[in-house]
Amino acid sequence: RKEVEQDPGPFNVPEGATVAFNCTYSNSASQSFFWYRQDCRKEPKLLMSVYSSGNEDGRFTAQLNRASQYISLLIRDSKLSDSATYLCVVNLNNNDMRFGAGTRLTVKP
Amino acid sequence: GAGVSQSPRYKVAKRGQDVALRCDPISGHVSLFWYQQALGQGPEFLTYFQNEAQLDKSGLPSDRFFAERPEGSVSTLKIQRTQQEDSAVYLCASSFPSVAQYFGPGTRLLVL
Repeated sequence: RKEVEQDPGPFNVPEGATVAFNCTYSNSASQSFFWYRQDCRKEPKLLMSVYSSGNEDGRFTAQLNRASQYISLLIRDSKLSDSATYLCVVNLNNNDMRFGAGTRLTVKP
Repeated sequence: GAGVSQSPRYKVAKRGQDVALRCDPISGHVSLFWYQQALGQGPEFLTYFQNEAQLDKSGLPSDRFFAERPEGSVSTLKIQRTQQEDSAVYLCASSFPSVAQYFGPGTRLLVL
């Protein structure tokens, strides 16, 4: 079993839609969590950290459920520019970060 | 300020050739990481430095892979006797300890 699992998609949604991505992790000792965004042929870029209480950044909301070892990302009012691959990242300890394979999103006009 | 830079951006090597990939981290970042990313996959951890010390090299796929960071800033990933399965994007990232990592643009390696 992979340490970080994501639905690979692709998710194809119209502009303005709300879309949610899920991620599960296997190591209960994981300490911190992130969502990264990766555009085609570009490097991953930090989208947001994920906090235990849940956190929001504009149209993006991240949730963490430690009991279920589950992380989610919600994007509201999708824009064309949101089209990318979204990587779930789990920090096992200090610097041992494990990436999911990514969920691909395409937002269509 | 400047982000993480990597060179070369693209490298084509003949099977059996040695290659060296360079990473310049963000100034002041103590931690430096190398990842390998195959097409359609997330980055896979290769190795990690804290300053000049290589604290984890468990992800290096074989003894043909070697990384160094002799002065605690610039790092080089060397691959000896390249094989076709080494073809991938090699990403470097840097950070302060225990916080999110910032990635360079990667080196796209193609072994023919």
